[in-house]
Amino acid sequence: DTEVTQTPKHLVMGMTNKKSLKCEQHMGHRAMYWYKQKAKKPPELMFVYSYEKLSINESVPSRFSPECPNSSLLNLHLHALQPEDSALYLCASSQDGGGGLRETQYFGPGTRLLVL
Amino acid sequence: QKEVEQDPGPLSVPEGAIVSLNCTYSNSAFQYFMWYRQYSRKGPELLMYTYSSGNKEDGRFTAQVDKSSKYISLFIRDSQPSDSATYLCAMSGQGNQGGKLIFGQGTELSVKP
Repeated sequence: DTEVTQTPKHLVMGMTNKKSLKCEQHMGHRAMYWYKQKAKKPPELMFVYSYEKLSINESVPSRFSPECPNSSLLNLHLHALQPEDSALYLCASSQDGGGGLRETQYFGPGTRLLVL
Repeated sequence: QKEVEQDPGPLSVPEGAIVSLNCTYSNSAFQYFMWYRQYSRKGPELLMYTYSSGNKEDGRFTAQVDKSSKYISLFIRDSQPSDSATYLCAMSGQGNQGGKLIFGQGTELSVKP
């Protein structure tokens, strides 16, 4: 089973709201990722967790706050977002993020976020 | 210059055609190469991955890597309307800031019945 699940599928929020995106995988992977994808663009890496520790933060604004409660779960907490943050937010997982084919990443279906 | 270059298309072909999708790259440290397919409003789906020069075949799909030319290709034989999607190449290198894939821009493919 190479499934990564994400909830919710769609989210509309105002600029003063606080919301969270959730991601789950049961493949025994130890690396999990958040990406942002705008229309007709490739996914843009935001954060990487490896063995539940944040290993990469691609200079993402603090209004995005990741959390990895355990090796199967990944959250992205959202607060005071801007309209330009509207995008498809993708979660992915890989074996351990340690390099080579262990980085082969499996993506979830994404959460489509609209910020008003 | 981007590390990975991919023609964004769009590419339109008739059903049954052979499709050739390509990426070039500049970083010789890249050793691992992947192709993802992304349908509209969905997440990317892993199609093929490879780590050596040469060809790898899976059904109607063939991935080709030429490390000497820093060039990778994905061929789709007997293309079907269901192959209409955006195809993303992605690559990484051993120890390359572990966990980081570098994506091409994606090629939008349309297969007409």
